[in-house]
Amino acid sequence: ILNVEQSPQSLHVQEGDSTNFTCSFPSSNFYALHWYRWETAKSPEALFVMTLNGDEKKKGRISATLNTKEGYSYLYIKGSQPEDSATYLCAFFLSSNTGKLIFGQGTTLQVKP
Amino acid sequence: NAGVTQTPKFQVLKTGQSMTLQCAQDMNHNSMYWYRQDPGMGLRLIYYSASEGTTDKGEVPNGYNVSRLNKREFSLRLESAAPSQTSVYFCASSVSSGAPTDTQYFGPGTRLTVL
Repeated sequence: ILNVEQSPQSLHVQEGDSTNFTCSFPSSNFYALHWYRWETAKSPEALFVMTLNGDEKKKGRISATLNTKEGYSYLYIKGSQPEDSATYLCAFFLSSNTGKLIFGQGTTLQVKP
Repeated sequence: NAGVTQTPKFQVLKTGQSMTLQCAQDMNHNSMYWYRQDPGMGLRLIYYSASEGTTDKGEVPNGYNVSRLNKREFSLRLESAAPSQTSVYFCASSVSSGAPTDTQYFGPGTRLTVL
């Protein structure tokens, strides 16, 4: 059974705080790791796709790093804002034949004004 | 472009009733997926269709059937609903050219309650 684990499960921070959370995945047969942002009452939307060990992606105040050898990725949010409140999902790309993703359970971030 | 659309948005069923959740995409994507989302469990794959004419089981297929009607449409059927199928159901699609960078695009979800 292939496990993708995210921690912590939830996080409450004050506006302006910087925060980070972790996604752990199998380090063998790695193709890609996807990060999605999922706001309440909306659909998950893609944030980043990461493929190379040591890769770093950035979008505004959100960035992500990737370590494929040890099987983890970090998502960082600098100077959190209330609009960053969402569930952040990581997903391990399983197979190029099917395009299947295995999702972690998500980290839910609440940013208090 | 509407992207991925799902109907209905909400549904309440009694145990034993059947229903079909509809999903359509207008992005000419090859692959389509059905997930269920339960608290603390993330998104779990029910069934997927890698290309038109093919369907395969995901992690949690029991109690469900699917039909890939054409390239655009992928429906999920509950033959005899059970309370354990109370969940939010998401349909997604991807180009699935074989590239690991293919992103999945999600519909708005269907909130299903089985009494």
